[in-house]
Amino acid sequence: IAGITQAPTSQILAAGRRMTLRCTQDMRHNAMYWYRQDLGLGLRLIHYSNTAGTTGKGEVPDGYSVSRANTDDFPLTLASAVPSQTSVYFCASSDSENTGELFFGEGSRLTVL
Amino acid sequence: GQNIDQPTEMTATEGAIVQINCTYQTSGFNGLFWYQQHAGEAPTFLSYNVLDGLEEKGRFSSFLSRSKGYSYLLLKELQMKDSASYLCAVLDSNYQLIWGAGTKLIIKP
Repeated sequence: IAGITQAPTSQILAAGRRMTLRCTQDMRHNAMYWYRQDLGLGLRLIHYSNTAGTTGKGEVPDGYSVSRANTDDFPLTLASAVPSQTSVYFCASSDSENTGELFFGEGSRLTVL
Repeated sequence: GQNIDQPTEMTATEGAIVQINCTYQTSGFNGLFWYQQHAGEAPTFLSYNVLDGLEEKGRFSSFLSRSKGYSYLLLKELQMKDSASYLCAVLDSNYQLIWGAGTKLIIKP
């Protein structure tokens, strides 16, 4: 049972480049989320999706976009990376949008130079 | 604004008991959650409180007082593997999870 799979695990990226972080879940969860985690700060929600075909903005959406073409996949795209987007990115899912019990992927560590 | 406060770091001894506190001010309340996160790993769900009182799950217990905006996570019989960060999160009235910055727990032999 894989749960949630994220790729890549880590990446070093030049500023201005486009980057897509992939996230796939096999639990048939309706809701999916992208968070970033920075030292000294709580997890911050970037974007979310309550069900396939819908997405919403979280607390820090600028510079990021997402899509939810099907239940399993929820990619996060940085259109033109900037150094402030250096962070650890976690994808998560839950069986409904009204719960705080989330299942997290292992994270993607992104460094933008 | 919405805010969750928890200590940045705590140190405890193997075999002892430690209590990690969390206070919150949020727009509404639909539950409080504790997560464990080992260094370099993903957060994993530990416990959920929606009513006042104590929820016990093995060596771990979580307490909630909604009137005080307060929760704690109690870890008993500490083991070295309990060294991790513990994240407190509140589900607000819009069902958005608000996260604390986490408490790094260091266990010493």
